[in-house]
Amino acid sequence: QQPVQSPQAVILREGEDAVINCSSSKALYSVHWYRQKHGEAPVFLMILLKGGEQKGHEKISASFNEKKQQSSLYLTASQLSYSGTYFCGTEGSNTGKLIFGQGTTLQVKP
Amino acid sequence: DTAVSQTPKYLVTQMGNDKSIKCEQNLGHDTMYWYKQDSKKFLKIMFSYNNKELIINETVPNRFSPKSPDKAHLNLHINSLELGDSAVYFCASSPAGDGGNSPLHFGNGTRLTVT
Repeated sequence: QQPVQSPQAVILREGEDAVINCSSSKALYSVHWYRQKHGEAPVFLMILLKGGEQKGHEKISASFNEKKQQSSLYLTASQLSYSGTYFCGTEGSNTGKLIFGQGTTLQVKP
Repeated sequence: DTAVSQTPKYLVTQMGNDKSIKCEQNLGHDTMYWYKQDSKKFLKIMFSYNNKELIINETVPNRFSPKSPDKAHLNLHINSLELGDSAVYFCASSPAGDGGNSPLHFGNGTRLTVT
């Protein structure tokens, strides 16, 4: 089952914050987050495993609520380089089969 | 050094032809994948190999056949190409067959256009 991301698109000014959500209808083992710039490959940001931990990566962090089967990606003080499409990938069990959401396009303007 | 490399980068061909895409990783990873990204950017898993053994085979037409001669290489052969096969095909690798614990490292993609 494909996870659902919201919003589909976000436009920000530099320095503003954004939250991207990822919801699944099935129990989750892990959630991955990737960013893809136009014409490039997806690039790994972080993995969150069962346990509700929160992870950080510079000004980008994420949380995982396994009860709600949701993850959120937090981008603070956005920079121009944050522009791209963000994908969450979810896995229902430890199989390596990552199912990606439909993506959220983020555009950061000066 | 490129970690996951795919060739060719672009592939334009006519319907009915057979084509192959090659992928190589120099990261020492045990698991390799093929993903298809369509025009709406939807990334869908097609196949996964762990140390040359097929472990994930999604509902992909039989015209698609992956081959892994060794754990550093995973090729994709497509027979009788159709218009709907047009997409970007990404190869990826991860350290081990431990599922969700490992990040995927993607190649730069092969843009296939079928006319």
